[in-house]
Amino acid sequence: NAGVTQTPKFQVLKTGQSMTLQCAQDMNHNSMYWYRQDPGMGLRLIYYSASEGTTDKGEVPNGYNVSRLNKREFSLRLESAAPSQTSVYFCASSIRQGARETQYFGPGTRLLVL
Amino acid sequence: GENVEQHPSTLSVQEGDSAVIKCTYSDSASNYFPWYKQELGKRPQLIIDIRSNVGEKKDQRIAVTLNKTAKHFSLHITETQPEDSAVYFCAASSFSGGYNKLIFGAGTRLAVHP
Repeated sequence: NAGVTQTPKFQVLKTGQSMTLQCAQDMNHNSMYWYRQDPGMGLRLIYYSASEGTTDKGEVPNGYNVSRLNKREFSLRLESAAPSQTSVYFCASSIRQGARETQYFGPGTRLLVL
Repeated sequence: GENVEQHPSTLSVQEGDSAVIKCTYSDSASNYFPWYKQELGKRPQLIIDIRSNVGEKKDQRIAVTLNKTAKHFSLHITETQPEDSAVYFCAASSFSGGYNKLIFGAGTRLAVHP
């Protein structure tokens, strides 16, 4: 199992450009998540998808859109990138076992917006 | 909204000493509390977790305690080693509407000096 994979690993954009971050998991998990990580601010939830066909806003959704393409794939789109979106983006997926819902993270995408 | 506060933001110890990281949460409905370790340039990885019906859990040199009344939980690392150096994140989860959300603390950078 590859677990959670993300592409690209690193990207540089100019302000106003658009791009899509890709995420896939091969663990048959129902739930998937997108986080951004900024220095001193931990991990903040952008969007999540509890199951195929559903998506919901997290803590910081402005400037982003998502697509849950199928059970495996969950993409994050920046329509018009801004310098404030410079961050490290992590995708995660989870499986629920009773009260535990363990989240597994991808390797991250480092995005720089100039 | 839900909030998780984590202290201290940085912690420096000598090898062999103990390290304690504390978190408080605001949502009284939170019932699952994982801890993640993130090494430099790597993804966050789950190291231990605790559910709200348990007061303490131990796994070798790592232990977590939970005080639901006071809404705080702590990570204890004994006999620290240089490889314990990393950023540690606490999180509080709440299940609502079939969704699980993790609210993360801002992180603690632990440095273990030989």
